[in-house]
Amino acid sequence: SQTIHQWPATLVQPVGSPLSLECTVEGTSNPNLYWYRQAAGRGLQLLFYSVGIGQISSEVPQNLSASRPQDRQFILSSKKLLLSDSGFYLCAFSSGGAGGETQYFGPGTRLLVL
Amino acid sequence: SQQGEEDPQALSIQEGENATMNCSYKTSINNLQWYRQNSGRGLVHLILIRSNEREKHSGRLRVTLDTSKKSSSLLITASRAADTASYFCATDVESGYSTLTFGKGTMLLVSP
Repeated sequence: SQTIHQWPATLVQPVGSPLSLECTVEGTSNPNLYWYRQAAGRGLQLLFYSVGIGQISSEVPQNLSASRPQDRQFILSSKKLLLSDSGFYLCAFSSGGAGGETQYFGPGTRLLVL
Repeated sequence: SQQGEEDPQALSIQEGENATMNCSYKTSINNLQWYRQNSGRGLVHLILIRSNEREKHSGRLRVTLDTSKKSSSLLITASRAADTASYFCATDVESGYSTLTFGKGTMLLVSP
């Protein structure tokens, strides 16, 4: 069966520190992968998506970056965190295709930047 | 601006009542999806309705789509306390590779 994992579950980081959030998918090949951020009481903002290894599309310019070193691994990074980076980060995948299909979400990482 | 906008922002009902949430969008779509999110958790896909469909059912869920009005509704019948969650609609646009655009959600509270 298809599963998606995210870690860590929660993270408290000081302003200016680096960030690395990891997402892995099991049970499917060549998935489309997505990173979203959700502010408190708000909808989801798409940050990055990837249709293949090394292929990253950025939706919102910011101090975050994403990488896909392996087919089923998606990493969200920052060199220097800002207070505004606090939020709930969700990774999702869909089973390839032209997009717009059902997405399956991980449990999320709650990031607090102090 | 958001492609999908849910209405109402919050809804409070008693167990056994029906809950109706609406979603409006702006551009032509290939499909519209509804997701559920329990507090502090990831989203769970509920149902997908394609642009050539008008109504779809899944258990206690009924989704309608009116492409002429660019709107959709999610009906949860005979609600239960366990249905308490936020509900989001998501749309994809009708051109090229498409990502999903999520609305801000409707927060549903079902009281026992």
